[in-house]
Amino acid sequence: ETGVTQTPRHLVMGMTNKKSLKCEQHLGHNAMYWYKQSAKKPLELMFVYNFKEQTENNSVPSRFSPECPNSSHLFLHLHTLQPEDSALYLCASSQEVGLRTDTQYFGPGTRLTVL
Amino acid sequence: KNQVEQSPQSLIILEGKNCTLQCNYTVSPFSNLRWYKQDTGRGPVSLTIMTFSENTKSNGRYTATLDADTKQSSLHITASQLSDSASYICVVRNNNAGNMLTFGGGTRLMVKP
Repeated sequence: ETGVTQTPRHLVMGMTNKKSLKCEQHLGHNAMYWYKQSAKKPLELMFVYNFKEQTENNSVPSRFSPECPNSSHLFLHLHTLQPEDSALYLCASSQEVGLRTDTQYFGPGTRLTVL
Repeated sequence: KNQVEQSPQSLIILEGKNCTLQCNYTVSPFSNLRWYKQDTGRGPVSLTIMTFSENTKSNGRYTATLDADTKQSSLHITASQLSDSASYICVVRNNNAGNMLTFGGGTRLMVKP
């Protein structure tokens, strides 16, 4: 495995629910990322954290709220989602944001379905 | 606008055959290009990374090429195996202050027995 774990692996939620996705990395990295992967579309970067500080919010709607309590853990809190938010949500980590040959290691993703 | 286009979108080949996947990009200034393999139900895994000065790099049965002048890259898979069935994603990093990544849409490869 890549050293990045995500839970849950599958999630079905209604539009009024509140849920959270969890990501944990065991690689000693300082940067963590949330991506959205929809069918037939390139990966979309959502949020970036470097040394626990958010460095990028890629115009993500406020119904998605990230949290990074430490360099090893990343959460994505979900609230009042829409059916079009159904997708695979991937977490990744890397040594540090901005390094040119920095390799991102991805978790297995959470398959989210919004009813 | 930075873009990465991959072709074909999908490909079916017989086990044992070779195939080549294409990646064209407009990212500038260029820093490096990486190919990822994404198995169904899993996250992408890096196969190879190529910088401006590298033309060819191999990783087992995978060989990536880069032509920085024409802004094209290819991933050649030799003697395909069933386990090669996956999506292959081309990712290009630019060389400005943000070092941002631009992702291609991927090629979905299916290897049949």
